[in-house]
Amino acid sequence: DQQVKQNSPSLSVQEGRISILNCDYTNSMFDYFLWYKKYPAEGPTFLISISSIKDKNEDGRFTVFLNKSAKHLSLHIVPSQPGDSAVYFCAASDNDMRFGAGTRLTVKP
Amino acid sequence: NAGVMQNPRHLVRRRGQEARLRCSPMKGHSHVYWYRQLPEEGLKFMVYLQKENIIDESGMPKERFSAEFPKEGPSILRIQQVVRGDSAAYFCASSPPQGRGGTDTQYFGPGTRLTVL
Repeated sequence: DQQVKQNSPSLSVQEGRISILNCDYTNSMFDYFLWYKKYPAEGPTFLISISSIKDKNEDGRFTVFLNKSAKHLSLHIVPSQPGDSAVYFCAASDNDMRFGAGTRLTVKP
Repeated sequence: NAGVMQNPRHLVRRRGQEARLRCSPMKGHSHVYWYRQLPEEGLKFMVYLQKENIIDESGMPKERFSAEFPKEGPSILRIQQVVRGDSAAYFCASSPPQGRGGTDTQYFGPGTRLTVL
């Protein structure tokens, strides 16, 4: 039962442009959402989070948007840089955390 | 402050052997989580532990898998009689004692890649 879905397994973007990664969830009890970034042969690292009482959280080049009515969140990276190339996992939690399958972002120079 | 430590980083076992994966949480963290990443798949939750207690093991296979987090020492994920399908990357994460445990930001270790021959 996949409660958190990332429907795009991969995304390719030109350096300097915006990257938009999407995530959908099914459990309306989720009240905290996170994005993790993962490089090959390393563990995921925390990137940015948002509580369900907000609809936007911004940290430098990274912004997460939450649309509770649509059960959808997105991560915007602008401007995208080659070092952003990684797998991005969306996660959602109530008392347990559930991860999506990940989206591999490639930023081309 | 060292991050989450996992060892070994790579583990090779033959079918039927036992695999033991160790995780030392960040200093001051009392919540430990184990995840499995199968090839071409995302992270799958396995188990959530606090010191000497299993809080949620809803993601653990019913047989052959067990986990513990003793009062002293690392958390151990144990897989008995491994099969080829157990080949995966196993990640441990930890979070601090305050908050609701499962909702806290989790800090991940580098993972253990298990290969079953």
